[in-house]
Amino acid sequence: QLQLQESGPGLVKPSETLSLTCTVSGGSISSSPYYWGWVRQPPGKGLEWIGSVYYSGSTYYNPSLKSRVTISVDTSKNQFSLKVTSLTAADTAMYYCARVRSSWPGGAFDIWGQGTMVTVSS
Amino acid sequence: DIVMTQSPDSLAVSLGERATINCKSSQSVLYRSNNKNHLAWYQQKSGQPPKLLIYWASTRESGVPDRFSGSGSGTDFTLTISSLQTEDVAVYYCQQYYSSLITFGQGTRLEIK
Repeated sequence: QLQLQESGPGLVKPSETLSLTCTVSGGSISSSPYYWGWVRQPPGKGLEWIGSVYYSGSTYYNPSLKSRVTISVDTSKNQFSLKVTSLTAADTAMYYCARVRSSWPGGAFDIWGQGTMVTVSS
Repeated sequence: DIVMTQSPDSLAVSLGERATINCKSSQSVLYRSNNKNHLAWYQQKSGQPPKLLIYWASTRESGVPDRFSGSGSGTDFTLTISSLQTEDVAVYYCQQYYSSLITFGQGTRLEIK
């Protein structure tokens, strides 16, 4: 049974860079037809798609975040990662990794990690 | 961007009664090449990640009870819970994947009356 698990710091200072990793277990990140994505949710608010990556390294980003976001994949570790630069309090959110059921970036998110809460504060 | 607008924002329904949540997209999400509506529905219970309920607007995900159904086409979609159970209390989101810029509705909070 495929599982996803986010890991990373829970507290980051303003202007710094957030780095999160999603570890995929119970299956290969290189299997198709799947993209792998990041979604965030500020406390008490709705869902925002951040971006998605294919095992080949092909990426798609939300234009609202594109200048600050990098998503990468490491097939040897069965992981994909998220970096967000120039953090502000507005980046405080639960960050989820999820599998996209599609061989192109637009698809439904069928398997989700439990999420990791990130707080941006000095 | 394709803007997804859900209605109502919150809803209270009696146990055993029908619950209906609407989702409207700012442009059609019907992909002509495969004749499918690129729309999904999710359920998010308190403290949990979202759970996929419906994809292609009307296809139920494996393991989802058949009291959940999705309908609609083009720009107007509906999630229906035919007989509300206590475990259905949650926030429900629609999501379009017609565009590579994925967007979600703002969510509808469903409670027991």
